[in-house]
Amino acid sequence: QSALTQPASVSGSPGQSITISCTGTSSDVGGYNYVSWYQQHPGKAPQLIIHEVSNRPSGVSNRFSGSKSGNTASLTISGLQADDEANYYCSSYASSSTLLVFGGGTKLTVL
Amino acid sequence: ELQLVESGGDFVQPGGSLRLSCAASGFIFSSYSMNWVRQAPGKGLEWLSYISRSSSATYYADSVKGRFTISRDNAKNSLYLQMNSLRAEDTAVYYCARVMGDWSYDHWGQGTLVTVSS
Repeated sequence: QSALTQPASVSGSPGQSITISCTGTSSDVGGYNYVSWYQQHPGKAPQLIIHEVSNRPSGVSNRFSGSKSGNTASLTISGLQADDEANYYCSSYASSSTLLVFGGGTKLTVL
Repeated sequence: ELQLVESGGDFVQPGGSLRLSCAASGFIFSSYSMNWVRQAPGKGLEWLSYISRSSSATYYADSVKGRFTISRDNAKNSLYLQMNSLRAEDTAVYYCARVMGDWSYDHWGQGTLVTVSS
């Protein structure tokens, strides 16, 4: 069982927007602004797309945005494109012996 | 170009040992903390271990504590993971990743596959 809870799957049509949630506790997501999101295509390494809750690394499309409210962080992808079909993982710094925790991952299907 | 290249993955029997390496290039390796993360077949990401820039601090997931040891050699721009007492559930792709100040992992290696089976 993953420390952070994500929906197993979400789907949307090209051009639409989707949101993926990531729920933790006050010891991780709720306690720090150190939430990151990663995109992983099959057979590839994860790629950072959001850090510090809502910041995009250079080169990442502005169609990706992040936010947080309480113990839940969210990733929104607007203007869905076929290449957005991938697995998405959230992570958070955690104030425990487990420094960093990941969500179980969400499979995004672009219909 | 910044690169992280893992090596050392192999097929090993339960109870065996393996040492993974991660060769870094394209950045000042000694200026960054590093981590190991793994992904079992068809499963999600699992944080394994962290090492600070000077090796003064190391942390481990409960699942590998006492069996795995992270280390680094800044002179050789290399990160290591010594894995002992391997179990079937350790079967996974192992990634090394560079840690930023906000605990995000901005660069990952391509991964190396470890298979533990009799």
